[in-house]
Amino acid sequence: EPEVTQTPSHQVTQMGQEVILRCVPISNHLYFYWYRQILGQKVEFLVSFYNNEISEKSEIFDDQFSVERPDGSNFTLKIRSTKLEDSAMYFCASRGSGAFFGQGTRLTVV
Amino acid sequence: GQQVMQIPQYQHVQEGEDFTTYCNSSTTLSNIQWYKQRPGGHPVFLIQLVKSGEVKKQKRLTFQFGEAKKNSSLHITATQTTDVGTYFCAAASGNTGKLIFGQGTTLQVKP
Repeated sequence: EPEVTQTPSHQVTQMGQEVILRCVPISNHLYFYWYRQILGQKVEFLVSFYNNEISEKSEIFDDQFSVERPDGSNFTLKIRSTKLEDSAMYFCASRGSGAFFGQGTRLTVV
Repeated sequence: GQQVMQIPQYQHVQEGEDFTTYCNSSTTLSNIQWYKQRPGGHPVFLIQLVKSGEVKKQKRLTFQFGEAKKNSSLHITATQTTDVGTYFCAAASGNTGKLIFGQGTTLQVKP
């Protein structure tokens, strides 16, 4: 069964450092997403990506965030200068009949 | 922006008891999706409801979409310990299909 894969599973970074979270969406899906989930809270939409460009982004997705699809398979989320409040689980998803989520990357900013 | 409210936040039941979680929106929804997230896991798609008044079943799970398409429910009959997790409803919004999640209901099942 096809699945969305994310790497790394855990990332610890110092405040102010840049991080890149990687995702390989399901190959025949067209819409890709990043969501985040702060511990114990609901899943929040960050950004959607279609046809190699951002189609929608939330208020959370400010200038410190960027997404890229550098080749035909990878989909990345970059946080330029991490803050403590960026600590969360970050999920990549791609859309079929529902959304298929990756296992997530737990980002801890110290 | 669009919001989806979900209650209760937590539910503890004895194994074999039933469980229901409710989802409400102030605006009409084009569809409602349900996801299950096991502790430490990722959201897993369960089902999508599109039609007014729609009822769908998956074994012991029954999903309903209200007539006005503003509310939905998930009912689990005779819970088992494998049902433990957080159940989220989510509304697909806009042309991009982004999901607006409810706060989730965390189900604990005592054996």
